[in-house]
Amino acid sequence: GAVVSQHPSWVICKSGTSVKIECRSLDFQATTMFWYRQFPKQSLMLMATSNEGSKATYEQGVEKDKFLINHASLTLSTLTVTSAHPEDSSFYICSARDRVAGFTDTQYFGPGTRLTVL
Amino acid sequence: GENVEQHPSTLSVQEGDSAVIKCTYSDSASNYFPWYKQELGKRPQLIIDIRSNVGEKKDQRIAVTLNKTAKHFSLHITETQPEDSAVYFCAVGQAGTALIFGKGTTLSVSS
Repeated sequence: GAVVSQHPSWVICKSGTSVKIECRSLDFQATTMFWYRQFPKQSLMLMATSNEGSKATYEQGVEKDKFLINHASLTLSTLTVTSAHPEDSSFYICSARDRVAGFTDTQYFGPGTRLTVL
Repeated sequence: GENVEQHPSTLSVQEGDSAVIKCTYSDSASNYFPWYKQELGKRPQLIIDIRSNVGEKKDQRIAVTLNKTAKHFSLHITETQPEDSAVYFCAVGQAGTALIFGKGTTLSVSS
């Protein structure tokens, strides 16, 4: 149980294009999902908290107009990197919290999406 | 906001030795302390977690200890094996909030 998937697993795009990454909770409902970014040999940095049916909460320094987050259902959140540039190349990982789990702090991570912007 | 410090950044041990990684945090309201193992290019895998009502938790060769007064917690791996080699992250959180991660420790176990 508690499986989170991401699609695509990797993507290569040209500078200036937009890329959409999907995060799905497969066997549970997640009112809250989180988006992290991880540069090579670095830790996971929280980008934003995505709440179903409401606007995402972005961390300081993360441009909300560049990283669009939509959490339209209890099992799907999407991150769209708009007008991507080479410095956006990174490993993007989502996590989800089980809505009905006994402990509301446990998070389940997706497999990540490797974005390379040329 | 929460600040998490993790040490050491790299750790090399011989197979069979023990490994200890320590983390400190700043927010006394934090009450959830998981440890993740991440292999190259893969997602973080939860290996053990502890909540603030418990001081120590053990799962086979892995244990975590928590000192809430001093605001630090540690991961202990005994009888290390080459397959334990990976990057280990501590994290800190509370119900309803995102996890804040330490910078990670690269553990190398040589046979």
